Amino acid sequence: DTEVTQTPKHLVMGMTNKKSLKCEQHMGHRAMYWYKQKAKKPPELMFVYSYEKLSINESVPSRFSPECPNSSLLNLHLHALQPEDSALYLCASSRDRGPVEKLFFGSGTQLSVL
Amino acid sequence: GQQLNQSPQSMFIQEGEDVSMNCTSSSIFNTWLWYKQDPGEGPVLLIALYKAGELTSNGRLTAQFGITRKDSFLNISASIPSDVGIYFCAGPNTGNQFYFGTGTSLTVIP
Repeated sequence: DTEVTQTPKHLVMGMTNKKSLKCEQHMGHRAMYWYKQKAKKPPELMFVYSYEKLSINESVPSRFSPECPNSSLLNLHLHALQPEDSALYLCASSRDRGPVEKLFFGSGTQLSVL
Repeated sequence: GQQLNQSPQSMFIQEGEDVSMNCTSSSIFNTWLWYKQDPGEGPVLLIALYKAGELTSNGRLTAQFGITRKDSFLNISASIPSDVGIYFCAGPNTGNQFYFGTGTSLTVIP
């Protein structure tokens, strides 16, 4: 089973809303990631969790707040987003962080901010 | 900073033709990965390469880890319409920093 599950698939929100993106993997991977991707561009790293601890925050605005409740789950809490935050948000996992061998991605959440 | 450059940026080919694309880096990589991404979906891992010179196949796909460890190549034989998508190379360099390539967009004309 090489599956990373993301919900919801699509999300439309206003700039004053609070919403959360969810990600789950049951591969026993100890590193989980959030990426942001604009159309026809490569994914851009936002956050990395290693062994349930935040290890990398790529200078992401505080309106994005990650959470790792346990080794299988990763959330991204959204608050007061801007229209330019509209993008495909991808969750990924890898067996470990050192070294990273392969990343497995979920199918993404297509976010539109109105 | 580090950048993985893919070429060509886009390709338009007839169904049944073979496809070649490559990925080059300014620094040495430990692993080369090739992903395919359909619109609105997450990247799907196609092939992983771990050693310089390694040649690996997955069905109609063949990828090679360059001898210099600074490049990789992906070939698709006898293309079909479902090969349409964006292909990304990716991998960790010797500093364990993970990078994605700029992407090659493939269109297959039936």
